[in-house]
Amino acid sequence: DQQVKQNSPSLSVQEGRISILNCDYTNSMFDYFLWYKKYPAEGPTFLISISSIKDKNEDGRFTVFLNKSAKHLSLHIVPSQPGDSAVYFCAASASQGAQKLVFGQGTRLTINP
Amino acid sequence: NAGVMQNPRHLVRRRGQEARLRCSPVKGHSHVYWYRQLPEEGLKFMVYLQKENIIDESGMPKERFSAEFPKEGPSILRIQQVVRGDSAAYFCASSPLPAQETQYFGPGTRLLVL
Repeated sequence: DQQVKQNSPSLSVQEGRISILNCDYTNSMFDYFLWYKKYPAEGPTFLISISSIKDKNEDGRFTVFLNKSAKHLSLHIVPSQPGDSAVYFCAASASQGAQKLVFGQGTRLTINP
Repeated sequence: NAGVMQNPRHLVRRRGQEARLRCSPVKGHSHVYWYRQLPEEGLKFMVYLQKENIIDESGMPKERFSAEFPKEGPSILRIQQVVRGDSAAYFCASSPLPAQETQYFGPGTRLLVL
């Protein structure tokens, strides 16, 4: 049972444009959501997070939007830069009960010059 | 990766041998998590530990796998009698507090079982 889904395995965006990565979840107990970026042969690097009491969080070029009614979140990167090319993972956790992160399958983002 | 250290970075074992993976969390973090990533998949939770306690091991296989986080020293993930299906990247993460706190990941240990 895949509780966190990233339905796009890959995304290609031109440099300078906006990149939008999407994530859907099924467990209504999730109340904290994170995006991680991962390069090959490295560990995931934390990008940005959002609590379920908010619907938007912004940090520089990165903005995360949360739509609780649709159980959907998205990561916007603007403007996209070549160094943004990586695999992006969406993750969720529930403060009640286990503290584990549940990850999506990842989306490979390629920024074209 | 915010100071989480893992070693070794690469580990090769033959079937039936033991694998020991080590993780030193960020200084001051007392919560450690282990995740496994199979090729082309996302990370899957294995176990959550605090100092000297296993809090949640619901993602860990019941046999051959064990984890500890002693009062002194790193957290250890131990795999006994490894099989080829254990080949994966194993990541450790730490956080200062459990709920709604960001987990910071180490670089991972890539285990290859021949």
